[in-house]
Amino acid sequence: RKEVEQDPGPFNVPEGATVAFNCTYSNSASQSFFWYRQDCRKEPKLLMSVYSSGNEDGRFTAQLNRASQYISLLIRDSKLSDSATYLCVVNLAGGTSYGKLTFGQGTILTVHP
Amino acid sequence: NAGVTQTPKFRVLKTGQSMTLLCAQDMNHEYMYWYRQDPGMGLRLIHYSVGEGTTAKGEVPDGYNVSRLKKQNFLLGLESAAPSQTSVYFCASSYHPVGHIQNTGELFFGEGSRLTVL
Repeated sequence: RKEVEQDPGPFNVPEGATVAFNCTYSNSASQSFFWYRQDCRKEPKLLMSVYSSGNEDGRFTAQLNRASQYISLLIRDSKLSDSATYLCVVNLAGGTSYGKLTFGQGTILTVHP
Repeated sequence: NAGVTQTPKFRVLKTGQSMTLLCAQDMNHEYMYWYRQDPGMGLRLIHYSVGEGTTAKGEVPDGYNVSRLKKQNFLLGLESAAPSQTSVYFCASSYHPVGHIQNTGELFFGEGSRLTVL
């Protein structure tokens, strides 16, 4: 089983739609969680951190469910510019994972007119 | 605002050739990382460094060597390239280590280096 798993998609949605991505992680001791965004042929960039209580940044909402070991990202009122690959990222606990993040394979989102 | 700069951005090698990828950051970050990204695999950590003069193995270190002689530079070397090393390589840096309480989880990435080994 992969340490971090995402549905690769692609998700094709019209402008204005609401879309949600889930990500599961295997290590219950994982400490921190993030969503990164990667545009085509570009480098990944931090989109938002995911807090235990859930957090929102404009049209983006991130949630964490530690009991079920998954995190989610909800995008409301999708824009064409939201088209990208969304990477689920987990910081695994433990001394051997010090200073390292584990990335999911990414979920591709395409927003069309 | 240079941030993290990688050179070269593209390179084609023949099997058995050697090369070095250079990563330079101007943010005075202690921590630097080399990742590779392959389709369907996500980013995988090759090597990382927690400071000048130190390096450590990541998830997929075989076939690669690294050096951090200066704080701002992190070099990734391929001694004898193989077709399995065809990939996109990303360098990243951070001020705090990812596990640190003050770390926001943000790694600053370079634009990537696309390597093809024939």
